[in-house]
Amino acid sequence: DGGITQSPKYLFRKEGQNVTLSCEQNLNHDAMYWYRQDPGQGLRLIYYSQIVNDFQKGDIAEGYSVSREKKESFPLTVTSAQKNPTAFYLCATRTDLVGDTQYFGPGTRLTVL
Amino acid sequence: GQQLNQSPQSMFIQEGEDVSMNCTSSSIFNTWLWYKQDPGEGPVLLIALYKAGELTSNGRLTAQFGITRKDSFLNISASIPSDVGIYFCAGRPRGSNYKLTFGKGTLLTVNP
Repeated sequence: DGGITQSPKYLFRKEGQNVTLSCEQNLNHDAMYWYRQDPGQGLRLIYYSQIVNDFQKGDIAEGYSVSREKKESFPLTVTSAQKNPTAFYLCATRTDLVGDTQYFGPGTRLTVL
Repeated sequence: GQQLNQSPQSMFIQEGEDVSMNCTSSSIFNTWLWYKQDPGEGPVLLIALYKAGELTSNGRLTAQFGITRKDSFLNISASIPSDVGIYFCAGRPRGSNYKLTFGKGTLLTVNP
């Protein structure tokens, strides 16, 4: 079954701990993105990667880190330096085979206790 | 960063009514995308637009890429209860390095 998988769906973390959110895709898309969604706000870009072993900071990268060792995987680590990490995190992939389109995963809800 | 103004913020309609929402920008966009998001889920792509003036339909949904390249609208005809959700636009500004700008969304409620 093709698509984007994010795990876990819900994640709880104690303040001061790092946590890694998983994003896997089997769509063979080159580009992958991480967004943060907060109530009443548009999606905000954290990091993106256009090819393996390369990634760029988005608009709100502070307190986050990523890696892109494989085309299929783009994990996001929320570090203890992120001051307000409770949010809904969305992973997306991009294809330009038919225009320029991004597709989203199901999301991970992170709650810091 | 660049902003997309999406309106209305929310709509409450009766089943069977038509709905229209739009997004505008002060700068030129090369791509317009419309998504629907259910609570706690990821956004689902509804319609993608790539050319100025393009009018595209997907079932009861119709979207258009504005001639000025600075706006887009989404229409839903004959609404049904399952149309409930948040609809938001996204666009790729001219000159952007594959990054999208997002509207804040329109919350649609359909009364059966």
